[in-house]
Amino acid sequence: KNQVEQSPQSLIILEGKNCTLQCNYTVSPFSNLRWYKQDTGRGPVSLTIMTFSENTKSNGRYTATLDADTKQSSLHITASQLSDSASYICVVSENTNAGKSTFGDGTTLTVKP
Amino acid sequence: EAQVTQNPRYLITVTGKKLTVTCSQNMNHEYMSWYRQDPGLGLRQIYYSMNVEVTDKGDVPEGYKVSRKEKRNFPLILESPSPNQTSLYFCASSLKSGQGSNQPQHFGDGTRLSIL
Repeated sequence: KNQVEQSPQSLIILEGKNCTLQCNYTVSPFSNLRWYKQDTGRGPVSLTIMTFSENTKSNGRYTATLDADTKQSSLHITASQLSDSASYICVVSENTNAGKSTFGDGTTLTVKP
Repeated sequence: EAQVTQNPRYLITVTGKKLTVTCSQNMNHEYMSWYRQDPGLGLRQIYYSMNVEVTDKGDVPEGYKVSRKEKRNFPLILESPSPNQTSLYFCASSLKSGQGSNQPQHFGDGTRLSIL
């Protein structure tokens, strides 16, 4: 069964600090891995998308890495801001006709002043 | 503005009273999908549609129906709602899905349903 596991479940950091969120998956065949940010009361918003051949992708202060061999990804947030407080969801899609996506349970990040 | 619009945003209703949650996108996307989000369970797919008149079950389709009569709309129907369908629902769309597609999904802002 395809699975996506994220860690930690929750994280509290001080404003200005860096942090790294982890995502391990067993989805096969692999198509792409996406990181989403979900603010409280809103729908998820796409941060990065990586295919098999990409091992890093940046979006401002967000940098995602992908190791397709070990089936691991990380999302690094640099110089955190209060607005980074949100849930971060890792999503892995199959390389099939339907392109089914498997969602992780998310990491809840709280940035404190 | 490119967006996915869900209505209503909030609804409290009673067991057995049929309801429909509408979803509309203005991006000419082929792929649309419905998810429910429950604490500790993440997002789970209910139904999806690869294109007009093409729908298929996701992971948790029981108790739900959908239709895709036109490209922009993908309503979610609860024929006889029950308390275990109390949840936060999201509609999403993307240009395409499937092999070779690396498109992000665009999500609506959610519909919070409470079934008493």
